[in-house]
Amino acid sequence: QVQLQQSGPGVVKPSQTLSLTCGISGDSVSSGTVAWHWIRQSPSRGLEWLGRTYFRSKWFAEYAESVESRITINADTAKNQFSLQLSSVTPDDTAVYFCARTPPGGPLDFWGQGSPVTVSP
Amino acid sequence: DIQMTQSPSSLSASIGDRVTITCQASHDISNYLDWFQQKPGKAPKLLIYDASHLERGVPLRFSGSGSGTDFTLTISSLQPEDIATYYCQQYRRFPYTFGQGTKLDLK
Repeated sequence: QVQLQQSGPGVVKPSQTLSLTCGISGDSVSSGTVAWHWIRQSPSRGLEWLGRTYFRSKWFAEYAESVESRITINADTAKNQFSLQLSSVTPDDTAVYFCARTPPGGPLDFWGQGSPVTVSP
Repeated sequence: DIQMTQSPSSLSASIGDRVTITCQASHDISNYLDWFQQKPGKAPKLLIYDASHLERGVPLRFSGSGSGTDFTLTISSLQPEDIATYYCQQYRRFPYTFGQGTKLDLK
């Protein structure tokens, strides 16, 4: 059974960088068949897909246009985890952030527990 | 981006009722649609994938149908543990997009 365990600070100051980590058990971050995603949820935006990373002989990342200039998703194979960095945050980035997995061509089948993040001075 | 529109946005029903939620995509997404159930403070839980396939462990009272642009989630006999918010989501094209949710409560 795949399990995703999220960690990271719950409060970030405006203009700083939000950083979250998603630890994986029951699968490998460098699996050549799955992809690893970040999604956020807020009352104003609903559920919003942010981006994904995956390994297919080399690492790829794809991002939503709404955050493309500020987001980085990286994998750490040694720790079997992947991370989200969102720079220059504003209060509009306040949300619950989720990590998730997709199998090949499939749905978001396993999710992390969610990380509430507030952007506040 | 593909827009996903759910209806209704909220729904009150009684235990044992048949409940139907619809989802419409702004473009043809074939059957690349799933349905999630979300309870307060929890992550969304996958119920249905590929429009009509029941995820392992999900009760048989849940079913999904549709293809192209119009989809339906049906609960055949509502149970107390089904009280939650339901979301559809397309994975035909990036960015993945979600419906706005249908909040289901007890009448």
